[in-house]
Amino acid sequence: DVKVTQSSRYLVKRTGEKVFLECVQDMDHENMFWYRQDPGLGLRLIYFSYDVKMKEKGDIPEGYSVSREKKERFSLILESASTNQTSMYLCASSLTAQSAQHFGDGTRLSIL
Amino acid sequence: GEDVEQSLFLSVREGDSSVINCTYTDSSSTYLYWYKQEPGAGLQLLTYIFSNMDMKQDQRLTVLLNKKDKHLSLRIADTQTGDSAIYFCAEANTGGFKTIFGAGTRLFVKA
Repeated sequence: DVKVTQSSRYLVKRTGEKVFLECVQDMDHENMFWYRQDPGLGLRLIYFSYDVKMKEKGDIPEGYSVSREKKERFSLILESASTNQTSMYLCASSLTAQSAQHFGDGTRLSIL
Repeated sequence: GEDVEQSLFLSVREGDSSVINCTYTDSSSTYLYWYKQEPGAGLQLLTYIFSNMDMKQDQRLTVLLNKKDKHLSLRIADTQTGDSAIYFCAEANTGGFKTIFGAGTRLFVKA
């Protein structure tokens, strides 16, 4: 069965820290995505990647960067965490850009 | 830009039908999806419909698509307490890399 695994379910960090969120998929999917989910705002796309070492900005990339060194792994980096980055972060992957996305269980990140 | 809108809340009684509505703006949408999110979990694909279809039925789920009005609906027959969740409508087209998600409709099922 298809699986997307996010490294942490809950994470607490301090303002100014560099934070790494990891995501691994076992489906050999080309496309991977990072979203943040906030109440009433739905899912907002931060970054996506359509191939190894390729990345594209989504709708809200400011304050974030990503890394995709291997096909199965897509990392989200908060360069200097701020309190307004407290949120639920969801990773997803898909076979093609338009096909259904498979999601991990999410990382609930709190920045204090 | 493209947008997907849905109402934020819906409350139904157990055993009744639920209808969750969604409107989208992108006339070139090719794929339309419904995802379900249970508490503390990620999104799970529930069903989908291609833009050349008007209806799709899958057990208790019925998806209706009105392309003229850019309106999509999800009907859940005989709603159960286990159907309580957030339901997301999403659209994708062949020309783009992004899938556009609605804000989600939180379904409350009263026993």
